[in-house]
Amino acid sequence: GENVEQHPSTLSVQEGDSAVIKCTYSDSASNYFPWYKQELGKGPQLIIDIRSNVGEKKDQRIAVTLNKTAKHFSLHITETQPEDSAVYFCAATPGGYSTLTFGKGTMLLVSP
Amino acid sequence: ETGVTQTPRHLVMGMTNKKSLKCEQHLGHNAMYWYKQSAKKPLELMFVYNFKEQTENNSVPSRFSPECPNSSHLFLHLHTLQPEDSALYLCASSQETGGTDTQYFGPGTRLTVL
Repeated sequence: GENVEQHPSTLSVQEGDSAVIKCTYSDSASNYFPWYKQELGKGPQLIIDIRSNVGEKKDQRIAVTLNKTAKHFSLHITETQPEDSAVYFCAATPGGYSTLTFGKGTMLLVSP
Repeated sequence: ETGVTQTPRHLVMGMTNKKSLKCEQHLGHNAMYWYKQSAKKPLELMFVYNFKEQTENNSVPSRFSPECPNSSHLFLHLHTLQPEDSALYLCASSQETGGTDTQYFGPGTRLTVL
């Protein structure tokens, strides 16, 4: 089955800096890679996703890149703000009836 | 609000108790999921239901018993739990069970087993 590794486990940045979270996956058939953000006391919420037919996707201050050859994908947050502080999860799936496999999560702390 | 509600938000139970977790989705989705979230571990998928039929059971111990009476409601019945079952239990729903369908999560039930 799929195995997703996520690094780092914690990341502290100053407000305005950029943050990068990296994930690797094992199943070369995986073709869908979502990122979820979990704020304190809430469930995870989808913030951005990418499919294997593109290498990069942006949505305002967040972007995701995918390298299928190396089997890794990354989340980039620019101009970080204190409200970006949360736990971020990456996930991967081959699609079809296969369910998502999640990484262990990264706690991002943005200091004012 | 994500359209997925869970009750109770917090639950403390003894190992001999029987309790139930409830999940309700207001999104018109056909698929519902139970996940277990423990500290420093990936989200663990427990059960998947599609159109009220269980389609996946990831080797979950029988002390966890799911019930899906309709596409909008999902229950997790708990009995004779162990302290290591203490965790955040998350419910999610999606349009279908395809892995590429966005999953919408509820806020979770924080369970403590004494």
